[in-house]
Amino acid sequence: AQTVTQSQPEMSVQEAETVTLSCTYDTSESDYYLFWYKQPPSRQMILVIRQEAYKQQNATENRFSVNFQKAAKSFSLKISDSQLGDAAMYFCAYRTILSSGGGADGLTFGKGTHLIIQP
Amino acid sequence: AAGVIQSPRHLIKEKRETATLKCYPIPRHDTVYWYQQGPGQDPQFLISFYEKMQSDKGSIPDRFSAQQFSDYHSELNMSSLELGDSALYFCASSRMGTGGGYTFGSGTRLTVV
Repeated sequence: AQTVTQSQPEMSVQEAETVTLSCTYDTSESDYYLFWYKQPPSRQMILVIRQEAYKQQNATENRFSVNFQKAAKSFSLKISDSQLGDAAMYFCAYRTILSSGGGADGLTFGKGTHLIIQP
Repeated sequence: AAGVIQSPRHLIKEKRETATLKCYPIPRHDTVYWYQQGPGQDPQFLISFYEKMQSDKGSIPDRFSAQQFSDYHSELNMSSLELGDSALYFCASSRMGTGGGYTFGSGTRLTVV
């Protein structure tokens, strides 16, 4: 079974600065999806960014980018120009491509990192 | 844009009662997923459906059952409720073949007293 580890329970960053959240995972598969989800105090789960393991290029979405190191099984999230609205719980998640679930496989989440933005 | 709709938003039940949670996926989405998130925990995958058939199964208790209907909405039925079932229950939907990610609803907060 796949596991996802987020080693930073909490991170704090000054507004407008850059912060990197760490995520490592364990899998024997060669193709899979990785995600970062944001959960603000409203508890809504919001997709931040998605990476397909067979793509070499790191995904980017505006101020959010990832550093995907497949050999190291590492998938960190960099948030540039941090804003107060970025304060949330951030979850790293893994999803298989080689489906045993008819193509509708569940996500495996890490324990999350609580990101605090200091004004 | 239409989102995933979950009802009710909040639900309070007593121990040993039954609860039914409903999920209406984004139009044209054919796949529905259910997750349970306990207080201070990460979401745990329960079960998924594709084209009204059960697709994948996670850590869903035997006391829980779910189905997807012809209009693609889904219901999670929870019987013999226990205090430990108090959690936020998320539904998510996707369209098969569109590349991995899916959209979550706002969740149903179930409190068992």
